[in-house]
Amino acid sequence: GAVVSQHPSRVICKSGTSVKIECRSLDFQATTMFWYRQFPKQSLMLMATSNEGSKATYEQGVEKDKFLINHASLTLSTLTVTSAHPEDSSFYICSPRLQDPNEKLFFGSGTQLSVL
Amino acid sequence: GQNIDQPTEMTATEGAIVQINCTYQTSGFNGLFWYQQHAGEAPTFLSYNVLDGLEEKGRFSSFLSRSKGYSYLLLKELQMKDSASYLCAVELYNQGGKLIFGQGTELSVKP
Repeated sequence: GAVVSQHPSRVICKSGTSVKIECRSLDFQATTMFWYRQFPKQSLMLMATSNEGSKATYEQGVEKDKFLINHASLTLSTLTVTSAHPEDSSFYICSPRLQDPNEKLFFGSGTQLSVL
Repeated sequence: GQNIDQPTEMTATEGAIVQINCTYQTSGFNGLFWYQQHAGEAPTFLSYNVLDGLEEKGRFSSFLSRSKGYSYLLLKELQMKDSASYLCAVELYNQGGKLIFGQGTELSVKP
């Protein structure tokens, strides 16, 4: 089945630094990638939808200048958390929308971000 | 607005049967997913219901009633490894696969 590789799996950084998270589709092309965030003991919240070759669509309350999304190719989407603060510490996870509508939505392995 | 409700926690005994309920009120509905998530890991797909009725897949079954905005996940012959969070998610209609998640049900299986 289709696989999406997400890196890094875990990152610890100092407050004020920027962190880039990559999601790469290994054997398929993803025109659309969903980015979710999950705080401890809470469910997944959709942050934004990235579309290859165009601007991402952000959910209400998500700062587009803080969470930069790039989807420059059909196999790579990135989320950059700029000037990270401790409150940005969370589990970030991507999920591709596949071309085949019968494919079930699945997720990357997730990135645990801890900002000190 | 979108609203999906599930119990926060449930406890069951190894070998037993447990039913996790999910009710939803959303602006549009395309289908309903159930995912299993272990701590620190990504969710893994369990089931997808589009039509009313029961879908059975091994020890796991999922039921949907669109008219009632209700679904449940049934786990049989519980094993210790089934201890996890179970997420109910609604796929919104005509929004390119966007999912709205419930808060998840933390299931603890006791010996």
